Amino acid sequence: AQKVTQAQTEISVVEKEDVTLDCVYETRDTTYYLFWYKQPPSGELVFLIRRNSFDEQNEISGRYSWNFQKSTSSFNFTITASQVVDSAVYFCALSEAGTGGFKTIFGAGTRLFVKA
Amino acid sequence: DGGITQSPKYLFRKEGQNVTLSCEQNLNHDAMYWYRQDPGQGLRLIYYSQIVNDFQKGDIAEGYSVSREKKESFPLTVTSAQKNPTAFYLCASSTGLAGVETQYFGPGTRLLVL
Repeated sequence: AQKVTQAQTEISVVEKEDVTLDCVYETRDTTYYLFWYKQPPSGELVFLIRRNSFDEQNEISGRYSWNFQKSTSSFNFTITASQVVDSAVYFCALSEAGTGGFKTIFGAGTRLFVKA
Repeated sequence: DGGITQSPKYLFRKEGQNVTLSCEQNLNHDAMYWYRQDPGQGLRLIYYSQIVNDFQKGDIAEGYSVSREKKESFPLTVTSAQKNPTAFYLCASSTGLAGVETQYFGPGTRLLVL
């Protein structure tokens, strides 16, 4: 069955600390897509990254980096030198497009507090 | 600017009333989606549409209805059959195949029951 687990409900760090948000997924498909979204207090989800199952290269974008490991079914997200503006809820999502239609499952989210 | 708009920002529903949430996009995206978000939880799919005049139920479609008469618009009606409608509703759109391409989200509508 398809499942996304974000075990960390809330994380609190002090500004400039590095923080890693964990995401573990379950799927039987060999072709799937993984996403991270940020939801600031305003409520709108902001897209951060999309990764397909055949591309295990890690990615870095400024202070953000992602570690995709199929062997452990994980797609973790690290923020380096965190800032107050990083405070938000972060969602990991898994998507498959099969003959029965598509399914996207979101994790429950991790709320990140960055204190000045 | 291209984007997704949702209105209203807040909506109040009385018992037994149907209400309609608006979602419009000018991104020329083929696929559109409606999600429901409850406090402290992730998003759950209500309905999605890959093309005009076609839509599919998601995981929690009961008590909701949609239409897709125009590419730009995908309104969601919360019917009186939905017994617990209080939630945050998010509309999204994407190019191409639903679930494969990145979904872009609107600002959301918060629905409250009086």
